[in-house]
Amino acid sequence: DTGVSQNPRHKITKRGQNVTFRCDPISEHNRLYWYRQTLGQGPEFLTYFQNEAQLEKSRLLSDRFSAERPKGSFSTLEIQRTEQGDSAMYLCASSLGIVGVNTEAFFGQGTRLTVV
Amino acid sequence: AQKVTQAQTEISVVEKEDVTLDCVYETRDTTYYLFWYKQPPSGELVFLIRRNSFDEQNEISGRYSWNFQKSTSSFNFTITASQVVDSAVYFCASSKDTGRRALTFGSGTRLQVQP
Repeated sequence: DTGVSQNPRHKITKRGQNVTFRCDPISEHNRLYWYRQTLGQGPEFLTYFQNEAQLEKSRLLSDRFSAERPKGSFSTLEIQRTEQGDSAMYLCASSLGIVGVNTEAFFGQGTRLTVV
Repeated sequence: AQKVTQAQTEISVVEKEDVTLDCVYETRDTTYYLFWYKQPPSGELVFLIRRNSFDEQNEISGRYSWNFQKSTSSFNFTITASQVVDSAVYFCASSKDTGRRALTFGSGTRLQVQP
């Protein structure tokens, strides 16, 4: 399967613990996005990488959140000191080129986080 | 900032009925892009269509068709002769022509097609 891959698919953690999610984009896709989706809502933008550079972060991304994309390949999203409000589906998307102009974003199946 | 509104939270139809999903967008940009994605229970967002603001031609792909009207800021999606496999949550989204190009999604419409 050469689509966007996310691991783990599900994560249950206790409040206050740290969690890390991984996203492997489609090979050679230079742009990578993280979104968060809560129940009954559409995905909301969190952060964006072009190659290894993190170019923008949403206001939704509090100080407890950090994302990296070393070497412009896979990306990780870490949440420190998790809170119940962090429970959501975390979606990763990638694109080769500019979304809208000449391509669309390709999404992974997401990591569903439950904080208990 | 862009905004996308999908007023229909949930729609239920019987197989073979036609169904239209509404999408209204707000933007101050001259150039922008509109999308539809399907999210089945597995969670992955599946791309359906991309349209730029200068192309108001309607599009048909099999049982799917899209009606883009700038005059009403709408980008509606019609499924003809619906099937049970069409059951999913459908999202309309928009993006700008500058900056990060991230998608702004509506809240989605859950379509249930009953056999």
